Amino acid sequence: DTGVSQDPRHKITKRGQNVTFRCDPISEHNRLYWYRQTLGQGPEFLTYFQNEAQLEKSRLLSDRFSAERPKGSFSTLEIQRTEQGDSAMYLCASSPIRGRNYNEQFFGPGTRLTVL
Amino acid sequence: EDQVTQSPEALRLQEGESSSLNCSYTVSGLRGLFWYRQDPGKGPEFLFTLYSAGEEKEKERLKATLTKKESFLHITAPKPEDSATYLCAVQGTYNTDKLIFGTGTRLQVFP
Repeated sequence: DTGVSQDPRHKITKRGQNVTFRCDPISEHNRLYWYRQTLGQGPEFLTYFQNEAQLEKSRLLSDRFSAERPKGSFSTLEIQRTEQGDSAMYLCASSPIRGRNYNEQFFGPGTRLTVL
Repeated sequence: EDQVTQSPEALRLQEGESSSLNCSYTVSGLRGLFWYRQDPGKGPEFLFTLYSAGEEKEKERLKATLTKKESFLHITAPKPEDSATYLCAVQGTYNTDKLIFGTGTRLQVFP
């Protein structure tokens, strides 16, 4: 088990461009979460999936953000028309829904986005 | 509104000097309280989950405790490798599965 992986690890883009991030959860983890973290703050919830169903989206998530988990395995987070305020670390986490580690969210290394 | 407040914001300890970090929370029905460690530029690393008041968990030099209003992370005889930001998060009964995080305590342990 290699843990949660995210790609890319770093992304620099110009304002107005679209970006897409990928997250591969721990195998057999049904739930997958996206968070955003800015410097000096704790992670802030964006959205989460159980299998392929998107169960909750934060009110803070603008229409420029969209997430998918088409086959209940990996997930993508797309940001359209990026703004400088989107610069942050985007974190993915996964958790099982049963078993010893039930409800414990394990995080990936994050994707650092810089919007110029 | 569910809220987590951590104190202090930053803490400097000499190696071997024990101390405690505080996490105060307000949540509409606590399903779980979580402690994470985060190193610079990395994702949070899971440490503990606490579910009910009075519960305690230990791991090496760390011990987490929980009351109805707050949690403490006790660090006994810390070493420089314990230097990191420690994050506390809560999961409420009515908030589905999302975690609500505090801003963290930045711990520095110097030799």
